[in-house]
Amino acid sequence: QVQLVESGGGLVKPGGSLRLSCAASGFTFSDYYMSWIRQAPGKGLEWVSYISSSSSYTNYADSVKGRFTISRDNAKNSLYLQMNSLRAEDTAVYYCARDSKAVVHWGQGTLVTVSS
Amino acid sequence: DIQMTQSPSSLSASVGDRVTITCQASQDISNYLNWYQQKPGKAPKLLIYDASNLETGVPSRFSGSGSGTDFTFTISSLQPEDIATYYCQQYDNLPPSLTFGGGTKVEIK
Repeated sequence: QVQLVESGGGLVKPGGSLRLSCAASGFTFSDYYMSWIRQAPGKGLEWVSYISSSSSYTNYADSVKGRFTISRDNAKNSLYLQMNSLRAEDTAVYYCARDSKAVVHWGQGTLVTVSS
Repeated sequence: DIQMTQSPSSLSASVGDRVTITCQASQDISNYLNWYQQKPGKAPKLLIYDASNLETGVPSRFSGSGSGTDFTFTISSLQPEDIATYYCQQYDNLPPSLTFGGGTKVEIK
């Protein structure tokens, strides 16, 4: 069955960096577009970034553009999110998600807390 | 950027009631509209895709309708296990992106 397992979350100071990973299994990873979606504590869902199956195309929400970089390694069935210049408002659970239109498969999420 | 306005933000209804949630897009999105259910501490679950298609395994009491800018999500007979927050979500192809509505928290009266 499809599994998406995020890791790399934690506590980081404002201005710091963090790299999230998502390990995929149960499907042909290289066939699918992938996304990162986040949810601040007690708040709604916010799409963060998207990457095409071959990494040829990426897109970002305005709130993270220029600070976050999405990437993938199809040989390792892994998705990444490099987060730089982190701000308090980036505090959220970050979900790895398969597909870029209707998301059937989500990871369990990893919590990123940005605080001094 | 397309904005999604979802209402109400919360509602309280009795078991067996018909529950309706609306979502309005700031511009025509055809039928590129999905609905999710999220329970506390869990990832969202896709219920309806492309405005009116029921995802496999989802009970038939859930339904969706609409196109263009105005969309409706309905629970025909509210059950205790339906207590959750529901989100609409539109998707764009050029460039690819997703936008979620603000969510509707559904509680039992």
